[in-house]
Amino acid sequence: SQTIHQWPATLVQPVGSPLSLECTVEGTSNPNLYWYRQAAGRGLQLLFYSVGIGQISSEVPQNLSASRPQDRQFILSSKKLLLSDSGFYLCAWSVTVSGNTIYFGEGSWLTVV
Amino acid sequence: SQQGEEDPQALSIQEGENATMNCSYKTSINNLQWYRQNSGRGLVHLILIRSNEREKHSGRLRVTLDTSKKSSSLLITASRAADTASYFCATGGGSNYKLTFGKGTLLTVNP
Repeated sequence: SQTIHQWPATLVQPVGSPLSLECTVEGTSNPNLYWYRQAAGRGLQLLFYSVGIGQISSEVPQNLSASRPQDRQFILSSKKLLLSDSGFYLCAWSVTVSGNTIYFGEGSWLTVV
Repeated sequence: SQQGEEDPQALSIQEGENATMNCSYKTSINNLQWYRQNSGRGLVHLILIRSNEREKHSGRLRVTLDTSKKSSSLLITASRAADTASYFCATGGGSNYKLTFGKGTLLTVNP
């Protein structure tokens, strides 16, 4: 069966510090990978998605970036965090073809102070 | 941009009652999905209904889709305290790998 792991679960970072959130998927090959952000009381905002190694599409211009160094690894990064980057970040995956049900990780709480 | 909008924003019911949540969207879709999120956790997929389907069942869940009104409803029958969560609708259209989520309905089931 497929599983998705995301870490760290909780992170408190000062303004201006770097960020690295990691996500790995097991039990499948060539998944679509996603990073979403959820602000308090809001829906999910798609930040990045990837259909293959090294292929990243950005949905929202911001000071975040994403990378996919391996088939089942997705990394969300920032060189300098802003207060507005605080939120709940969710990694997710889907099968490349035949429907787009998305399977989510457990999320990472980021608080920028 | 977010396309799905759930209604109501919050719903509080007693255990055993039915809970109905609605979702409206604006443009053509390939399918509509409902997800559940327990507080502070990731989202879990509940059910997917395709644009050519009108109704779908899964256990205590019943989903309807009216493409002429661009709306969907999620019915949870005989609710339990464990059903307490936020429920999101998500619409898929155009490219196969992007879903657009609404802001969710917070359902509270009181024991």
